Amino acid sequence: GENVEQHPSTLSVQEGDSAVIKCTYSDSASNYFPWYKQELGKRPQLIIDIRSNVGEKKDQRIAVTLNKTAKHFSLHITETQPEDSAVYFCAASILSGGYNKLIFGAGTRLAVHP
Amino acid sequence: ETGVTQTPRHLVMGMTNKKSLKCEQHLGHNAMYWYKQSAKKPLELMFVYNFKEQTENNSVPSRFSPECPNSSHLFLHLHTLQPEDSALYLCASSPRQGRGTSGNTIYFGEGSWLTVV
Repeated sequence: GENVEQHPSTLSVQEGDSAVIKCTYSDSASNYFPWYKQELGKRPQLIIDIRSNVGEKKDQRIAVTLNKTAKHFSLHITETQPEDSAVYFCAASILSGGYNKLIFGAGTRLAVHP
Repeated sequence: ETGVTQTPRHLVMGMTNKKSLKCEQHLGHNAMYWYKQSAKKPLELMFVYNFKEQTENNSVPSRFSPECPNSSHLFLHLHTLQPEDSALYLCASSPRQGRGTSGNTIYFGEGSWLTVV
């Protein structure tokens, strides 16, 4: 089955710096890669996703890149702000049929210091 | 508010108790999920239901028993749990692939914090 590795487990940056979180997946058939943000005591929320027919996707300060050959995908946050502090999870799945069997990485705790 | 509602938000139960977690989604989605989130492990997929039919059971112990009476409601029945079962239990739902740009996107509820004493 699918296995997703996520690094680093913790990341500390100064406000305004960039943050990069990296994930690798094992199943070459995976074709959907979302990123979720979870603030303390709250539910995970989708912030951006990418499908395997796309190499890069950007939404304001957030971007995700995908390297299918290497089975790597990364989250890039630019101009970080204190409200970006949270735990970020990557995930991978094979979209098929009527449901989405997402397998998550272990998470990265991002701290943005003013 | 995501349209996925979980109750109760907090539950404390003894190892001999029987309790249930409830999830309801108001989004018209066809698939519903139970995930377990604990401090020591990533989000673990437990069960998947697609149009009320169970499609995935990730080797979950039988002390956890899911029930999906219809596409909008999902239960997790708990009995004779162990202290290591204490965790945040997250329900989620997703629409069928191909239904607009959000096809297959998983939406989580706020979770039920379970403590087994």
